[in-house]
Amino acid sequence: GQNIDQPTEMTATEGAIVQINCTYQTSGFNGLFWYQQHAGEAPTFLSYNVLDGLEEKGRFSSFLSRSKGYSYLLLKELQMKDSASYLCAVSLVDSWGKLQFGAGTQVVVTP
Amino acid sequence: DTEVTQTPKHLVMGMTNKKSLKCEQHMGHRAMYWYKQKAKKPPELMFVYSYEKLSINESVPSRFSPECPNSSLLNLHLHALQPEDSALYLCASSQVVGGRIHTDTQYFGPGTRLTVL
Repeated sequence: GQNIDQPTEMTATEGAIVQINCTYQTSGFNGLFWYQQHAGEAPTFLSYNVLDGLEEKGRFSSFLSRSKGYSYLLLKELQMKDSASYLCAVSLVDSWGKLQFGAGTQVVVTP
Repeated sequence: DTEVTQTPKHLVMGMTNKKSLKCEQHMGHRAMYWYKQKAKKPPELMFVYSYEKLSINESVPSRFSPECPNSSLLNLHLHALQPEDSALYLCASSQVVGGRIHTDTQYFGPGTRLTVL
């Protein structure tokens, strides 16, 4: 099976920066997703990394190192609405699009 | 348009009822998925359809019966469910190009909150 690890919870202040790490041990790795999920709602797509490096989208950036089995999601200029669970998910080659999710990191933004 | 829609938003059913969940997308995606998500847990894959054919069944009990009547629609028929089946049921879709599913386009619908009494 796949082993995907991310911290359970992180707390940060409004306006600050938070970095959520995700490590994975898989065979046949294809790419890595980050999703945001507010309580009781569906996951919202944030980013997809397949090559090494940093991808920036506004306040959110995602980084991947395939050789290290490591990714992070960087949230800048935190806003109260960023309080949510952030899910790291791995897709495998020839897996019919199956995603293997980490347990999620609950980010709490405080005033 | 990156929208996946699901109906109903909420469903309460008894253990002897038969009901169906519906999912629709108009992005031209040819891969569609059903996930189950319990509270404070990540989504768990149930089924994958590619070109309207079932590609993956993650050992889901037969009381859950998926159906893909056309490239835009995905149904999940429910019968004789148990209280432990209460969860958020999520539909998702992805592009298929050259016979391979492009997971970089996997989008989720809003989900159906199911309660089994």
